Amino acid sequence: EVQMVESGGGLVQPGGSLRLSCAASGFTFRSYWMNWARQAPGKGLEWLANIKQDGSVEYYVDSVKGRFMISRDNAKNSLYLQMNSLRTEDTAVYYCARDGHQLTIDYWGQGTLVTVSS
Amino acid sequence: DIQMTQSPSSLSASVGDRVTITCRASQDITNWLAWYQQKPGKAPKLLIWAASNLHSGVPSRFSGSGSGTDFTLTINSLQPDDFATYYCQQANSFPRTFGQGTRLEIK
Repeated sequence: EVQMVESGGGLVQPGGSLRLSCAASGFTFRSYWMNWARQAPGKGLEWLANIKQDGSVEYYVDSVKGRFMISRDNAKNSLYLQMNSLRTEDTAVYYCARDGHQLTIDYWGQGTLVTVSS
Repeated sequence: DIQMTQSPSSLSASVGDRVTITCRASQDITNWLAWYQQKPGKAPKLLIWAASNLHSGVPSRFSGSGSGTDFTLTINSLQPDDFATYYCQQANSFPRTFGQGTRLEIK
């Protein structure tokens, strides 16, 4: 069974940093592009970033470019999101997600809540 | 960035109804479109990929169609479990973008 479990969310002050982790299981992690996406409270979905199987290519949405960094450790079947210079508008549930057919996200983790507030 | 516009934003229907949700892209995305279902407090679930391909385990009452800029998700014979929010997403180019969502409610 494909499973992804996010961790590392919590309350952080504006300007602070947080590192999210995603532990993957049930599939050959190193064979898949992986993504981070988020959903602010009561709002829609926003794709944030993704990373190629070997970590050599990354893409970001403009709103997080230069502040967030996606990375992976294939030996640990883990995906990460380093978030710096956090803003109140970054408050959201953050999801780890796998790319499947035609680079479409096919499975999502359960999400971890990040709250940016003073 | 490619803008994705869904309509309607909300929809009321009854069990057994047939409903259609549309998604329009601001530019040609060929068939690089997916549909997701999300229930409150839960992660999204993939329904349709490449505009018309049913994801594994998804009931056959769900179907997708379209190409280019105009796409539809159809749910035949609505079941109680189908009342949720539905999102389209383009995978044609980065950044990937979602529609704003369509909330399907029980009439």
